[in-house]
Amino acid sequence: DVKVTQSSRYLVKRTGEKVFLECVQDMDHENMFWYRQDPGLGLRLIYFSYDVKMKEKGDIPEGYSVSREKKERFSLILESASTNQTSMYLCASSQDQGYNSPLHFGNGTRLTVT
Amino acid sequence: QKEVEQNSGPLSVPEGAIASLNCTYSDRGSQSFFWYRQYSGKSPELIMSIYSNGDKEDGRFTAQLNKASQYVSLLIRDSQPSDSATYLCAVKVYGQNFVFGPGTRLSVLP
Repeated sequence: DVKVTQSSRYLVKRTGEKVFLECVQDMDHENMFWYRQDPGLGLRLIYFSYDVKMKEKGDIPEGYSVSREKKERFSLILESASTNQTSMYLCASSQDQGYNSPLHFGNGTRLTVT
Repeated sequence: QKEVEQNSGPLSVPEGAIASLNCTYSDRGSQSFFWYRQYSGKSPELIMSIYSNGDKEDGRFTAQLNKASQYVSLLIRDSQPSDSATYLCAVKVYGQNFVFGPGTRLSVLP
């Protein structure tokens, strides 16, 4: 089974703090993604990566950055956390861009910014 | 803009009944279709994938795909209270990212 591990289940941070969300997958997947999920807004793609050291902006990249130095690890960085970044953050991976390659999600990190 | 639409629900069915969840999509180039189940406060979990027209069965779950009509559905037979969750439809075009629907909330009443 694919395992996608997010480092924290719950986080509480203060406005202005730099926040790191870590994600590790153990199946040698090419692709990794960061989503946020908010009530009424569904899943929204923040950033994604198709290869090591490669990153692409998703639909809502503002206020975020990412790092992928190793294939198995994809980090999401909130440079200066704001209250509107309070959300559930979901990391996901997929084997490649093939049509039969589904997303596998981590357990999620519920971030609260006060 | 690529869109995936689902009835947000809640869809309520009695225990033991068949739950029918529907999803329509706008991009005719879509190749892959996935159903995810998400319990409240948890992350989405893959339950079914379908790539060809017709039906695909896995236990109590059946996914149905009709590319000409651009819809995909999920049937849950013998629904159980443990099936109560939000079901997300996801669609993928080759070489592009997944597009998710808003989800349908299913409630199975004992």
